[in-house]
Amino acid sequence: EAGVVQSPRYKIIEKKQPVAFWCNPISGHNTLYWYLQNLGQGPELLIRYENEEAVDDSQLPKDRFSAERLKGVDSTLKIQPAELGDSAVYLCASSLGPSSYNEQFFGPGTRLTVL
Amino acid sequence: SQQGEEDPQALSIQEGENATMNCSYKTSINNLQWYRQNSGRGLVHLILIRSNEREKHSGRLRVTLDTSKKSSSLLITASRAADTASYFCATDEAGNMLTFGGGTRLMVKP
Repeated sequence: EAGVVQSPRYKIIEKKQPVAFWCNPISGHNTLYWYLQNLGQGPELLIRYENEEAVDDSQLPKDRFSAERLKGVDSTLKIQPAELGDSAVYLCASSLGPSSYNEQFFGPGTRLTVL
Repeated sequence: SQQGEEDPQALSIQEGENATMNCSYKTSINNLQWYRQNSGRGLVHLILIRSNEREKHSGRLRVTLDTSKKSSSLLITASRAADTASYFCATDEAGNMLTFGGGTRLMVKP
Protein backbone atom coordinates (compact mmCIF):
# COMPACT_ATOMS: atom_id res chain seq x y z
CA GLU A 1 0.00 0.00 0.00
CA ALA A 2 1.33 3.42 -0.95
CA GLY A 3 2.14 5.81 1.85
CA VAL A 4 1.52 9.54 1.95
CA VAL A 5 2.73 11.08 -1.31
CA GLN A 6 4.01 14.62 -1.56
CA SER A 7 5.25 16.66 -4.47
CA PRO A 8 7.48 18.28 -5.31
CA ARG A 9 10.23 16.96 -3.04
CA TYR A 10 12.29 20.10 -3.48
CA LYS A 11 11.41 23.62 -4.56
CA ILE A 12 13.62 26.67 -4.95
CA ILE A 13 11.97 30.01 -5.61
CA GLU A 14 12.74 33.67 -5.27
CA LYS A 15 11.02 35.72 -2.58
CA LYS A 16 7.66 37.17 -3.47
CA GLN A 17 6.94 34.29 -5.84
CA PRO A 18 4.00 31.93 -5.23
CA VAL A 19 4.50 28.24 -4.49
CA ALA A 20 2.19 25.26 -4.03
CA PHE A 21 2.66 21.87 -2.42
CA TRP A 22 0.53 18.83 -3.09
CA CYS A 23 -0.32 15.90 -0.81
CA ASN A 24 -2.09 12.61 -1.47
CA PRO A 25 -2.94 10.88 1.82
CA ILE A 26 -3.29 7.18 2.46
CA SER A 27 -6.52 5.85 1.02
CA GLY A 28 -9.30 5.86 3.58
CA HIS A 29 -7.63 8.35 5.91
CA ASN A 30 -10.14 11.07 6.72
CA THR A 31 -7.77 13.30 8.66
CA LEU A 32 -5.00 15.22 6.90
CA TYR A 33 -2.35 17.45 8.47
CA TRP A 34 0.09 20.00 7.16
CA TYR A 35 3.16 20.63 9.32
CA LEU A 36 6.05 23.06 9.04
CA GLN A 37 9.47 21.81 10.13
CA ASN A 38 12.35 24.24 10.52
CA LEU A 39 15.91 22.94 10.51
CA GLY A 40 16.80 21.21 13.76
CA GLN A 41 13.29 21.48 15.17
CA GLY A 42 10.20 19.34 15.46
CA PRO A 43 7.16 19.68 13.21
CA GLU A 44 4.60 22.38 14.00
CA LEU A 45 1.01 21.95 12.94
CA LEU A 46 -0.26 24.44 10.36
CA ILE A 47 -3.70 23.02 9.63
CA ARG A 48 -5.75 19.86 10.12
CA TYR A 49 -8.54 18.66 7.86
CA GLU A 50 -11.40 16.39 8.79
CA ASN A 51 -12.56 15.22 5.36
CA GLU A 52 -12.88 18.49 3.45
CA GLU A 53 -13.37 20.69 6.50
CA ALA A 54 -10.44 22.69 7.85
CA VAL A 55 -10.07 22.60 11.65
CA ASP A 56 -7.16 23.58 13.90
CA ASP A 57 -5.87 26.25 11.51
CA SER A 58 -4.89 28.76 14.16
CA GLN A 59 -1.18 28.40 13.31
CA LEU A 60 -1.69 29.02 9.59
CA PRO A 61 -0.53 32.54 8.61
CA LYS A 62 -3.64 33.39 6.70
CA ASP A 63 -2.30 36.53 5.10
CA ARG A 64 -0.04 34.51 2.81
CA PHE A 65 -0.85 30.83 3.36
CA SER A 66 -3.90 29.02 2.09
CA ALA A 67 -4.90 25.39 1.92
CA GLU A 68 -7.65 23.33 0.43
CA ARG A 69 -8.77 19.72 0.42
CA LEU A 70 -11.27 19.30 -2.36
CA LYS A 71 -13.46 16.19 -2.14
CA GLY A 72 -11.77 15.26 1.11
CA VAL A 73 -8.83 13.47 -0.50
CA ASP A 74 -5.85 15.35 -1.97
CA SER A 75 -4.75 18.61 -0.46
CA THR A 76 -2.81 21.64 -1.64
CA LEU A 77 -0.93 24.14 0.50
CA LYS A 78 -0.09 27.47 -1.11
CA ILE A 79 2.12 30.37 -0.14
CA GLN A 80 1.70 33.69 -1.89
CA PRO A 81 3.93 35.60 -1.76
CA ALA A 82 6.79 33.58 -0.28
CA GLU A 83 9.21 35.22 2.15
CA LEU A 84 12.76 34.26 3.09
CA GLY A 85 11.56 32.98 6.44
CA ASP A 86 9.30 30.44 4.76
CA SER A 87 12.31 28.27 3.90
CA ALA A 88 11.60 24.99 5.67
CA VAL A 89 10.32 21.47 5.12
CA TYR A 90 6.56 21.16 4.69
CA LEU A 91 5.26 17.81 5.86
CA CYS A 92 1.91 16.25 5.12
CA ALA A 93 0.49 13.50 7.31
CA SER A 94 -2.73 11.52 7.44
CA SER A 95 -4.57 9.34 9.92
CA LEU A 96 -7.78 7.31 10.04
CA GLY A 97 -9.47 9.84 12.28
CA PRO A 98 -8.90 12.88 14.48
CA SER A 99 -8.19 11.09 17.75
CA SER A 100 -4.64 11.52 19.00
CA TYR A 101 -4.63 7.74 19.49
CA ASN A 102 -4.66 7.28 15.73
CA GLU A 103 -1.18 6.89 14.31
CA GLN A 104 -0.16 9.66 11.96
CA PHE A 105 1.60 8.62 8.76
CA PHE A 106 3.96 11.19 7.31
CA GLY A 107 5.02 11.89 3.76
CA PRO A 108 8.66 12.62 2.87
CA GLY A 109 8.05 16.36 2.85
CA THR A 110 8.74 19.22 0.47
CA ARG A 111 11.91 21.14 1.15
CA LEU A 112 11.33 24.79 0.22
CA THR A 113 14.19 27.23 -0.27
CA VAL A 114 13.30 30.88 -0.75
CA LEU A 115 16.12 33.00 -2.17
CA SER B 1 4.93 26.37 19.84
CA GLN B 2 6.49 23.13 21.04
CA GLN B 3 5.44 21.54 24.28
CA GLY B 4 7.84 18.63 24.55
CA GLU B 5 11.52 19.22 25.10
CA GLU B 6 13.98 16.44 24.39
CA ASP B 7 17.23 15.93 26.21
CA PRO B 8 19.95 15.60 25.09
CA GLN B 9 19.72 17.53 21.85
CA ALA B 10 22.41 15.29 20.36
CA LEU B 11 23.80 11.90 21.34
CA SER B 12 26.69 9.92 19.85
CA ILE B 13 27.28 6.29 20.83
CA GLN B 14 28.99 3.16 19.55
CA GLU B 15 27.06 0.34 17.95
CA GLY B 16 25.89 -2.13 20.58
CA GLU B 17 25.52 0.47 23.31
CA ASN B 18 22.18 1.60 24.71
CA ALA B 19 20.77 5.04 23.91
CA THR B 20 18.52 6.92 26.29
CA MET B 21 16.70 10.12 25.44
CA ASN B 22 14.29 12.06 27.59
CA CYS B 23 11.25 14.22 26.97
CA SER B 24 9.58 16.71 29.27
CA TYR B 25 6.22 18.36 28.74
CA LYS B 26 4.17 21.03 30.44
CA THR B 27 0.44 20.25 30.48
CA SER B 28 -1.66 17.18 31.20
CA ILE B 29 -1.84 14.61 28.42
CA ASN B 30 -3.86 11.60 27.31
CA ASN B 31 -0.93 9.97 25.58
CA LEU B 32 2.66 10.52 24.55
CA GLN B 33 4.20 9.24 21.34
CA TRP B 34 7.71 8.80 19.99
CA TYR B 35 8.60 9.25 16.33
CA ARG B 36 11.79 8.68 14.36
CA GLN B 37 12.97 10.74 11.41
CA ASN B 38 15.78 9.62 9.16
CA SER B 39 17.72 12.31 7.36
CA GLY B 40 15.64 13.98 4.65
CA ARG B 41 12.59 11.81 5.22
CA GLY B 42 9.25 11.91 6.96
CA LEU B 43 8.54 10.86 10.51
CA VAL B 44 7.74 7.28 11.43
CA HIS B 45 5.63 6.40 14.46
CA LEU B 46 7.49 4.20 16.95
CA ILE B 47 5.35 3.79 20.03
CA LEU B 48 2.43 5.31 21.94
CA ILE B 49 2.10 5.22 25.71
CA ARG B 50 -1.14 6.16 27.44
CA SER B 51 -1.25 8.42 30.48
CA ASN B 52 -2.28 5.50 32.70
CA GLU B 53 0.67 3.37 31.58
CA ARG B 54 4.12 3.56 33.15
CA GLU B 55 6.17 1.45 30.76
CA LYS B 56 5.84 -0.02 27.31
CA HIS B 57 8.08 -2.18 25.15
CA SER B 58 8.35 -2.69 21.42
CA GLY B 59 11.27 -4.79 20.20
CA ARG B 60 14.46 -3.01 21.26
CA LEU B 61 12.51 0.05 22.38
CA ARG B 62 11.43 0.75 25.92
CA VAL B 63 9.38 3.80 26.83
CA THR B 64 8.59 5.00 30.33
CA LEU B 65 6.18 7.70 31.39
CA ASP B 66 6.08 9.57 34.69
CA THR B 67 3.03 11.82 34.69
CA SER B 68 3.89 13.25 38.12
CA LYS B 69 7.15 14.60 36.69
CA LYS B 70 5.67 15.22 33.23
CA SER B 71 8.48 13.30 31.62
CA SER B 72 9.13 10.30 29.43
CA SER B 73 12.19 8.40 28.33
CA LEU B 74 12.97 6.32 25.26
CA LEU B 75 15.58 3.59 25.59
CA ILE B 76 17.01 1.89 22.54
CA THR B 77 18.93 -1.22 23.51
CA ALA B 78 21.81 -2.77 21.56
CA SER B 79 21.86 0.12 19.10
CA ARG B 80 22.68 -0.33 15.43
CA ALA B 81 24.05 2.06 12.82
CA ALA B 82 20.58 2.01 11.24
CA ASP B 83 19.18 3.62 14.41
CA THR B 84 20.95 6.85 13.45
CA ALA B 85 18.12 9.37 13.17
CA SER B 86 16.32 12.15 15.00
CA TYR B 87 13.83 11.09 17.65
CA PHE B 88 10.86 13.24 18.61
CA CYS B 89 8.34 12.97 21.39
CA ALA B 90 4.84 14.26 20.79
CA THR B 91 2.06 14.92 23.26
CA ASP B 92 -1.63 15.53 22.75
CA GLU B 93 -3.03 18.71 24.17
CA ALA B 94 -6.76 19.29 24.43
CA GLY B 95 -8.39 18.77 21.08
CA ASN B 96 -6.34 15.84 19.79
CA MET B 97 -3.61 18.02 18.29
CA LEU B 98 -0.09 16.57 18.55
CA THR B 99 2.68 18.89 19.72
CA PHE B 100 6.21 17.80 18.94
CA GLY B 101 9.39 18.50 20.82
CA GLY B 102 12.66 19.70 19.31
CA GLY B 103 14.10 16.21 18.94
CA THR B 104 17.23 14.31 19.89
CA ARG B 105 19.72 13.66 17.11
CA LEU B 106 21.21 10.18 17.63
CA MET B 107 24.38 9.08 15.89
CA VAL B 108 25.33 5.40 16.19
CA LYS B 109 28.89 4.75 15.06
CA PRO B 110 29.67 1.34 13.55
